[in-house]
Amino acid sequence: TQLLEQSPQFLSIQEGENLTVYCNSSSVFSSLQWYRQEPGEGPVLLVTVVTGGEVKKLKRLTFQFGDARKDSSLHITAAQPGDTGLYLCAGVYNFNKFYFGSGTKLNVKP
Amino acid sequence: ETGVTQTPRHLVMGMTNKKSLKCEQHLGHNAMYWYKQSAKKPLELMFVYSLEERVENNSVPSRFSPECPNSSHLFLHLHTLQPEDSALYLCASSHDPGGNEKLFFGSGTQLSVL
Repeated sequence: TQLLEQSPQFLSIQEGENLTVYCNSSSVFSSLQWYRQEPGEGPVLLVTVVTGGEVKKLKRLTFQFGDARKDSSLHITAAQPGDTGLYLCAGVYNFNKFYFGSGTKLNVKP
Repeated sequence: ETGVTQTPRHLVMGMTNKKSLKCEQHLGHNAMYWYKQSAKKPLELMFVYSLEERVENNSVPSRFSPECPNSSHLFLHLHTLQPEDSALYLCASSHDPGGNEKLFFGSGTQLSVL
C-alpha cells in the first residue's frame, strides 16, 4: 500500500483568503492527481501532474509536483465559498493503481 | 453527470441480509473499480477489473464479492456484513491501459449496517 499523507485535515477560512494544502509520500509515483469531492457525490478530477517540478494552474488553483515526484501542493488564491469541499490527492502507480490520501476538508465562509 | 451511475444511493441492511450494489458506466471504459470511503480514512481500493478480469483484490473480506459481467457493469454482492462495514462505497471507471489515466466516479452508495 502506498501511503499518502495530506495536511491539514481540516481548514476553515474566510472568503478571499489564500490557502495551501500538502500531499506527501515516501513513494515515487508515475503521476499525482488532485480530486475534489462535494457532499453526496464522488470525487472529480481537477488536475494530473506528471513531471517532477511541474506547475499547473487552473484559474485560482495552482498545483505543484515535487522534484522527486513524491509530494505535491495545491494553492488556492482568493478562496470562494464554491471552493468548499474535500480535496483528495492520489498517487498513480503503474498507470492504473490509484492510492488516495485521507483528504483535506475545506470550508470557505462568505 | 460523470457517466458512472451507482444504485442504490442509500442502503440500510441488517447483518444477516444479502444485498447487491450496482454500477454502470457509459463511457466506453474498460477498467472498473470499487473503493470504500470511511470517515477520516483514505479511500480504500477494494477491487479492480480490467477487461472484465479481476486484477486487484486488496485483502477484502469474503463477505464482499465483486462481479463484472461485462465492461460496462460492476456489482458488489454483500452478505453477513458487520457494522464497521458501514461506509460510502464508490465505483469508478478508467480507460486503461497505459498513459495518464484518470478515474471517473459515481455518486456512491451510502451503506449502513445495523
